[in-house]
Amino acid sequence: DTGVSQDPRHKITKRGQNVTFRCDPISEHNRLYWYRQTLGQGPEFLTYFQNEAQLEKSRLLSDRFSAERPKGSFSTLEIQRTEQGDSAMYLCASSLVRGYEQYFGPGTRLTVT
Amino acid sequence: AQSVTQLDSHVSVSEGTPVLLRCNYSSSYSPSLFWYVQHPNKGLQLLLKYTSAATLVKGINGFEAEFKKSETSFHLTKPSAHMSDAAEYFCVVSYEGTYKYIFGTGTRLKVLA
Repeated sequence: DTGVSQDPRHKITKRGQNVTFRCDPISEHNRLYWYRQTLGQGPEFLTYFQNEAQLEKSRLLSDRFSAERPKGSFSTLEIQRTEQGDSAMYLCASSLVRGYEQYFGPGTRLTVT
Repeated sequence: AQSVTQLDSHVSVSEGTPVLLRCNYSSSYSPSLFWYVQHPNKGLQLLLKYTSAATLVKGINGFEAEFKKSETSFHLTKPSAHMSDAAEYFCVVSYEGTYKYIFGTGTRLKVLA
């Protein structure tokens, strides 16, 4: 399967712990996006990369959140000192350069207890 | 601010009857518009897209949507609903310059036997 993959699919953590999620985009896609989806809502944009450059960050992305795409391939999203409000589905998507449709991964569901 | 509004949070139709899911977007030049479907525990799947070509766009599974600039609308239709169409549908807008997605809050479609 050559779609977008995300790991892990589910993560349960205790408040205050750090978590890291990984996203592997479709191989020829230059752009990679992160979104967050809470229950009953549409996904909200967090950040995106073009190759290894992080070009935009939402104000939703507090100082506790950091994302990287070190070699322009896979990306990681880290949340430090997790809070219960961080509980959500974290979605990754990729696309060819600007203007093309985005393909989404299955998501990582985070539960903070 | 850039936004998209899905006018109905829930829609119920009988199997075999037409489907109409309504979407309005905030006015801007050169929007790209998309409809995605999300089945329970499945990833977001692209149904169709509008990117300034034909205003009537045909998608997968018999869905289509019409871009109406004067009404800033992009409603999703299907002539005859099938049980397998029951899912959450998201209208998405993307603007030239960033290409990040702005999602509506979603419409949950229920298909009655």
